[in-house]
Amino acid sequence: DQQVKQNSPSLSVQEGRISILNCDYTNSMFDYFLWYKKYPAEGPTFLISISSIKDKNEDGRFTVFLNKSAKHLSLHIVPSQPGDSAVYFCAASGSNSGYALNFGKGTSLLVTP
Amino acid sequence: DGGITQSPKYLFRKEGQNVTLSCEQNLNHDAMYWYRQDPGQGLRLIYYSQIVNDFQKGDIAEGYSVSREKKESFPLTVTSAQKNPTAFYLCASRKNDRGNEQFFGPGTRLTVL
Repeated sequence: DQQVKQNSPSLSVQEGRISILNCDYTNSMFDYFLWYKKYPAEGPTFLISISSIKDKNEDGRFTVFLNKSAKHLSLHIVPSQPGDSAVYFCAASGSNSGYALNFGKGTSLLVTP
Repeated sequence: DGGITQSPKYLFRKEGQNVTLSCEQNLNHDAMYWYRQDPGQGLRLIYYSQIVNDFQKGDIAEGYSVSREKKESFPLTVTSAQKNPTAFYLCASRKNDRGNEQFFGPGTRLTVL
């Protein structure tokens, strides 16, 4: 059963605009959430994370928002750049499973010039 | 340079043969993880290890085995009991006292003929 869901398989955004990637989870034991960027045939690259005690974390152009009551998080990229085009994975972890990551199926972001 | 290495990048095996995938890290990380990615899917957890000489099964451990004799190394054996072994395999590691970010190796593409 998929505990982390990314319901949008793909997203297309114009350069300079905001990209919003969404993620939902079902397990209330998750207490840490992460976003990774991935290219085909390569390992994922860590982008940004957020602890369940916070509702926002910002790092440069990337901001992650967490709504615990809705079990929903989102990644905002502002402004979007063509180099941001990749597959973005949402992941969640908890101390009860050694902080192993539970991944969504990914959202393919295309930023067009 | 510190990092996680996986070798080889591409691996071919005949059906019925066991094969071992290598994962080495020189980051002094405590925990190590193995994930599998199939086309159009997120990463799924196979096994993880939080300390030397200890490991736990993940969601899809059947047909796989691991060992953790050294902190730096966490090899994964794909046995003939694994029904669909062709996949992209990713190894990751995490430092216990530095947040929950996992850092990934470049991956091994295993094809069973």
